[in-house]
Amino acid sequence: EAQVTQNPRYLITVTGKKLTVTCSQNMNHEYMSWYRQDPGLGLRQIYYSMNVEVTDKGDVPEGYKVSRKEKRNFPLILESPSPNQTSLYFCASSSQSREQYFGPGTRLTVT
Amino acid sequence: GESVGLHLPTLSVQEGDNSIINCAYSNSASDYFIWYKQESGKGPQFIIDIRSNMDKRQGQRVTVLLNKTVKHLSLQIAATQPGDSAVYFCAENQGGTYKYIFGTGTRLKVLA
Repeated sequence: EAQVTQNPRYLITVTGKKLTVTCSQNMNHEYMSWYRQDPGLGLRQIYYSMNVEVTDKGDVPEGYKVSRKEKRNFPLILESPSPNQTSLYFCASSSQSREQYFGPGTRLTVT
Repeated sequence: GESVGLHLPTLSVQEGDNSIINCAYSNSASDYFIWYKQESGKGPQFIIDIRSNMDKRQGQRVTVLLNKTVKHLSLQIAATQPGDSAVYFCAENQGGTYKYIFGTGTRLKVLA
């Protein structure tokens, strides 16, 4: 089944403790992206990647890092999480057609 | 999940009626537009897209209209069903980039 998977689905952590949210797709898509979703603000793009070893900032990249060492994986790294990064995170992938497929989401709480 | 929909505008329609959800986009250089449906606890799901060289595109029970003059996008759902209840987002994209801008969404409630 074609899908985008994210892990973990739920995470509660404390300020400053480094964490990684994994994202994997099995559709051989070139493009992958991370979004955060907050009430009243919709989805905002954090980082995106056009292909292996090619990444670029979205609208809200501060406090996040990404890497794209393999085509199928695009992890999101929070080196020192803060409470304002409490949010619902989505990973997405697409081919050249630009139709994005989204993962199920990761709900992160930073206390 | 539910919490992201707390402050959204809501459209309530009777089952069987047609629904129209509107969206204003921001970038006149955007040339690709998408509508997504998001059910509670799930990620956004692609519904239909349209490129800027078109004014209208039809899918199964859905139609997207694009008015570039006023930067307006609409999604029409025919014969709305209970399973259509969800939050609907529009998104815009400028060709040659992979930057997407999403609208804040509209909650559609289908009344039995």
